[in-house]
Amino acid sequence: QVQLQESGPGLVKSSQTLSLTCTVSSGSISSGSVSSGTYYWSWIRQPAGKGLEWIGRIDKSGSTNYNPSLRSRVTISLDSSKNQFSLKLSSVTAADTAVYYCGRHFYDRSGYLTNDYWGQGTLVTVSS
Amino acid sequence: DIQMTQSPSSLSASVGDRVSITCRASQSISNYLNWYQQKPGKAPMLLIYAAFSLQSGVPSRFSGSGSGTDFTLTISSLRPEDFATYFCQQNYNTLLTFGGGTRVEIK
Repeated sequence: QVQLQESGPGLVKSSQTLSLTCTVSSGSISSGSVSSGTYYWSWIRQPAGKGLEWIGRIDKSGSTNYNPSLRSRVTISLDSSKNQFSLKLSSVTAADTAVYYCGRHFYDRSGYLTNDYWGQGTLVTVSS
Repeated sequence: DIQMTQSPSSLSASVGDRVSITCRASQSISNYLNWYQQKPGKAPMLLIYAAFSLQSGVPSRFSGSGSGTDFTLTISSLRPEDFATYFCQQNYNTLLTFGGGTRVEIK
């Protein structure tokens, strides 16, 4: 089954850019639409002791969707040659301190999210 | 954004108890509703998709119901490994949103 692993700095200074990479194994990141649905590569974060916030997603063609609350600061990109996708979040503040998860979401042809795989998550702390 | 409201935020129960958690959407989402289980230090795990379909490998003591704006996750007979936090998630919109979570604790 597909496996995902986040990597990147665990400490970022306030006002700088948070950069994380998700490496995908046992599955090609170029997998996109199949007869039964579509795969998306996503980022989700979770502040300590709090709920989950969807950051955005990218498909195999590089088409992206972002959370409007973060859109001005977020970039998600794909590197098929390395089987990786990445997250950049600019102008970070303490409010961006969270565990960041990468994931693969599968949507069936009716648009239901019916299956997903998540990385183990990586804690990013924003310091002043 | 579609707001998802879960209740209760926490509950205490004993092994063998029947437990229900509710989730309400701020607008109709048909049955585009998933339930996740999260244990400390771990990523969430998908239990139920499309409101009532059990994900492969998930025990049958978990069930989901509802449509429109009101949904319920039921655990028919709580087992020790079920003590965790549960989240609902709507995927009606591209912008996925989650409920605030329900922590199920041992009584």
